[in-house]
Amino acid sequence: EVQLVESGGGLVKPGGSLRLSCAASGFSFSSYSMNWVRQAPGKGLEWVSSISSSSSYIYYADSVKGRFTISRDNAKNSLYLQMNSLRAEDTAVYYCARENSAAPRPKNWFDPWGQGTLVTVSS
Amino acid sequence: QSVLTQPPSASGTPGQRVTISCSGSSSIIVSNTVNWYQQLPGTAPKLLIYSNNQRPSGVPDRFSGSKSGTSASLAISGLQSEDEADYYCAAWDDRLNGWVFGGGTKLTVL
Repeated sequence: EVQLVESGGGLVKPGGSLRLSCAASGFSFSSYSMNWVRQAPGKGLEWVSSISSSSSYIYYADSVKGRFTISRDNAKNSLYLQMNSLRAEDTAVYYCARENSAAPRPKNWFDPWGQGTLVTVSS
Repeated sequence: QSVLTQPPSASGTPGQRVTISCSGSSSIIVSNTVNWYQQLPGTAPKLLIYSNNQRPSGVPDRFSGSKSGTSASLAISGLQSEDEADYYCAAWDDRLNGWVFGGGTKLTVL
């Protein structure tokens, strides 16, 4: 069964840091591009970042550029999101999602999604 | 404000057909394909329609997608109570070099 399981969320103070992880199983992780998507409480979905299968291509939303870093370890079947200089507006459930090809492409889609991990930025 | 515009809400009675629109600029919808995601209450999003009008295996054929010009639509026929959920359109934005989502449409089955 294809599965994505996020972890690492929690409560952090403004200006602090947090590292999210996404453990993949049931598929050849090294063959797929991966993404982080977040959802603030009661709000819609917001794409955060994409990384290609070999980490050659990386993209960020303007709202997190310079503060967040996406990475992956194909040997560990894991995706990461290092979040620095956190702000209250970063409070959200963070989902990891698999893209259907090795590189982020306009004609791709996200499937499946993990169950999400909650990040709360508050003093 | 989202780059892709969806109505915030939609509703219908069981058995009815409802449509949800998604409009955007030419750098998004005209240039690229549109995907739709369904988010049932308290759960993670799930792929519903990909490449404008393709259904993943397991998605009932009551769900259909279409695209014309700078707009896309999701249609749900034979509405059922279990269809009550939030629906999001998404596409790649060539100008932003990233994915964009619509603001989401909350579907209520009356």
